[in-house]
Amino acid sequence: AQKVTQAQTEISVVEKEDVTLDCVYETRDTTYYLFWYKQPPSGELVFLIRRNSFDEQNEISGRYSWNFQKSTSSFNFTITASQVVDSAVYFCARTSGTYKYIFGTGTRLKVLA
Amino acid sequence: DTGVSQDPRHKITKRGQNVTFRCDPISEHNRLYWYRQTLGQGPEFLTYFQNEAQLEKSRLLSDRFSAERPKGSFSTLEIQRTEQGDSAMYLCASSPSGFAYEQYFGPGTRLTVT
Repeated sequence: AQKVTQAQTEISVVEKEDVTLDCVYETRDTTYYLFWYKQPPSGELVFLIRRNSFDEQNEISGRYSWNFQKSTSSFNFTITASQVVDSAVYFCARTSGTYKYIFGTGTRLKVLA
Repeated sequence: DTGVSQDPRHKITKRGQNVTFRCDPISEHNRLYWYRQTLGQGPEFLTYFQNEAQLEKSRLLSDRFSAERPKGSFSTLEIQRTEQGDSAMYLCASSPSGFAYEQYFGPGTRLTVT
């Protein structure tokens, strides 16, 4: 199966530490998109980023940054200077075809004060 | 707030009963998706609508499940003769047409079958 793997089930860090969430995907598609979503305790999935397979430039948005490496099929997410409000489950996903998403199993991040 | 809304947020039902969930997408989005999420797992695709047409159904969607999107606006997901294995969070999402636009998710309906 062409799956998305988030090997880290749960990570705990102390506030202000940097943390990287790993995502490795499998696909036979030549064109595809990758996504990260945040699911806070309230349950609603919040869109964070979309990246297409032709754009390997790293992206930074405030304390968030993403590292896409096509050669290793990885799309890792780093939070710099973590805060308690970052505590959530984070999901990586990729497209399957033109619209369907395949999600990973998620990484639960706990940021301790 | 004009995000995706779902109703009800929680539903407890007895095994064998029928349940129906509603999703109201973002108004300008013509694509609508249903996903199911069980504890400790990521969302799994169930079905997809382009306007009122249901264009794909996952094999996860057994004959007991049916989804509609009349007039291409809101959508309903019905589960007949519920089983305990149906207990999950049912998520609805919407997006504009086009290749791989980000999907915007609703808060979900948590179903518990006793």
